[in-house]
Amino acid sequence: DSGVTQTPKHLITATGQRVTLRCSPRSGDLSVYWYQQSLDQGLQFLIQYYNGEERAKGNILERFSAQQFPDLHSELNLSSLELGDSALYFCASSAGRTGTTDTQYFGPGTRLTVL
Amino acid sequence: TQLLEQSPQFLSIQEGENLTVYCNSSSVFSSLQWYRQEPGEGPVLLVTVVTGGEVKKLKRLTFQFGDARKDSSLHITAAQPGDTGLYLCARAWNYGGSQGNLIFGKGTKLSVKP
Repeated sequence: DSGVTQTPKHLITATGQRVTLRCSPRSGDLSVYWYQQSLDQGLQFLIQYYNGEERAKGNILERFSAQQFPDLHSELNLSSLELGDSALYFCASSAGRTGTTDTQYFGPGTRLTVL
Repeated sequence: TQLLEQSPQFLSIQEGENLTVYCNSSSVFSSLQWYRQEPGEGPVLLVTVVTGGEVKKLKRLTFQFGDARKDSSLHITAAQPGDTGLYLCARAWNYGGSQGNLIFGKGTKLSVKP
């Protein structure tokens, strides 16, 4: 158990819909990362938050957005869903220390299926 | 842009065999990480290699970082069914002195049959 929790574990929805994925980081971690894993693209970075503020953006579509709340949990919002958005979505957290190799701990993921 | 190339993509072997998987890049990187991901789970960090030529051992797993810090290998001795999983290499994107997001290779899917 990494200490990172994600809900829900599975999500099935239809095209055009909107969903929210939730992540609670390990106790004490300030950084939260979101990744998408698909068969063709592999594991790809979407976005990072540090202590409530956006720190870095990767290959995140404009239809997707995220935020980190004062209690440090994070939500990833996916809207106008398309079939190609079906994937595993992982949240990871790290302490966010500077100048060191900062280990990221991954949650168990949310499997999103868009029908 | 695919910065990390992993090979082979799939590997199916019998219990007790040895194997090596590779992670290559055209770029030099300051460090490289290896992860294992089991079905239904998130990736779990196995090791971080930092110095060119570095060799690290984790029980039956041996990790090597190339002298030029452009490539790395993972060797498993006497593989067991519990080694089955997706092996991913990753580099961290550093900015402002902080380690940021990870850039992953597509992985090697290993199946060890009893």
